[in-house]
Amino acid sequence: AQSVTQPDARVTVSEGASLQLRCKYSYFGTPYLFWYVQYPRQGLQLLLKYYPGDPVVQGVNGFEAEFSKSNSSFHLRKASVHWSDWAVYFCAVSMNTGGLSGKLTFGEGTQVTVIS
Amino acid sequence: EAGVTQSPRYAVLQEGQAVSFWCDPISGHDTLYWYQQPRDQGPQLLVYFRDEAVIDNSQLPSDRFSAVRPKGTNSTLKIQSAKQGDTATYLCASSFSGGYYAEQFFGPGTRLTVL
Repeated sequence: AQSVTQPDARVTVSEGASLQLRCKYSYFGTPYLFWYVQYPRQGLQLLLKYYPGDPVVQGVNGFEAEFSKSNSSFHLRKASVHWSDWAVYFCAVSMNTGGLSGKLTFGEGTQVTVIS
Repeated sequence: EAGVTQSPRYAVLQEGQAVSFWCDPISGHDTLYWYQQPRDQGPQLLVYFRDEAVIDNSQLPSDRFSAVRPKGTNSTLKIQSAKQGDTATYLCASSFSGGYYAEQFFGPGTRLTVL
């Protein structure tokens, strides 16, 4: 069965500093991987997605992620954090169901706190 | 374009009471999902539909939870006799199955507290 692990429950980062959030997945086959962000009292918003191809994918608001098959990882990065990045970030995996939308399996999330 | 809408936004009930959540997906989206998100956890899929058909409800507690999408548009998730363990945010998402991969768009959720 597919699964996702986000080893860091909480991360604190200074405004302007770089950020990396870790994600490890378990899936037999070629995964489709996603990073979502959840602001307080809001639904999930897609930051970026990986479909088989270029391992580095660019997302919104300066976020990017790198897929590594050998490490079963899909880490999220941002070069310079802004206070508005204060949120919970979820990594998710899905299987390709022949062009149909497959269900998402989420990690536990990482709470990012930005300090000045 | 309007996003996924859900109502109510909040619900507070006593154990044993019933509650219904309503979801209106993005127009034209044929696939609709219900997720349960306990506090400080990631969302977990309960059930999903393609049009009016249930595709996967294996994680739906069938003794107390039910979900319908009778015309393949709006959907209702109902908890018959709520328990404190049902306290969570219930998220609805929708997608269009055409194309290479269908991105899921999420609504704001309904935050349920069972006392």
